[in-house]
Amino acid sequence: GDSVTQMEGPVTLSEEAFLTINCTYTATGYPSLFWYVQYPGEGLQLLLKATKADDKGSNKGFEATYRKETTSFHLEKGSVQVSDSAVYFCALKYGNMLTFGGGTRLMVKP
Amino acid sequence: NAGVTQTPKFQVLKTGQSMTLQCAQDMNHEYMSWYRQDPGMGLRLIHYSVGAGITDQGEVPNGYNVSRSTTEDFPLRLLSAAPSQTSVYFCATRRQGITTGELFFGEGSRLTVL
Repeated sequence: GDSVTQMEGPVTLSEEAFLTINCTYTATGYPSLFWYVQYPGEGLQLLLKATKADDKGSNKGFEATYRKETTSFHLEKGSVQVSDSAVYFCALKYGNMLTFGGGTRLMVKP
Repeated sequence: NAGVTQTPKFQVLKTGQSMTLQCAQDMNHEYMSWYRQDPGMGLRLIHYSVGAGITDQGEVPNGYNVSRSTTEDFPLRLLSAAPSQTSVYFCATRRQGITTGELFFGEGSRLTVL
């Protein structure tokens, strides 16, 4: 079945550092890909998405490119802030099913 | 605009007890779903519904029951709680028929089964 694999955390960075969170997927068809973010004590909220190969999703300084050849959707940000501390989930959607990765906790220190 | 509202936020049960987690939405979304979140395992789909009167199983449906009598409500029932059902539960909704539709999540319900 479809699956999503994320790098394990926690990832600890200093403010203004560069962030990469790796995400790879396996899918039988051509899914849509998402990054969701969960701040402490809250539900998940959509961060960005891409619906087809080579699409780049971006939001709040975060970016991810849908790479069909490497089945990847890595999340990047050039300069993280303390307020970016959260858990980040990669997900794929095919039909009615949204499949999530295990989540990566990011901690940003001032 | 409340969005997706889950109740209760916290619940402690003893093994064998039953309870219902409530989910209500005011966005007129056809699709509603329940996920459980466990450490290191991400979110796993329990049940989902694409409209009133229609429900289907997700990845981990055993031990849970759902029904969808209205567009707004999608309760999740635990008929006989087990310690393995200790988890954080999220209700999520979206518009049906949009292939890339964003999911909107409630704030979660933390359940502990002793």
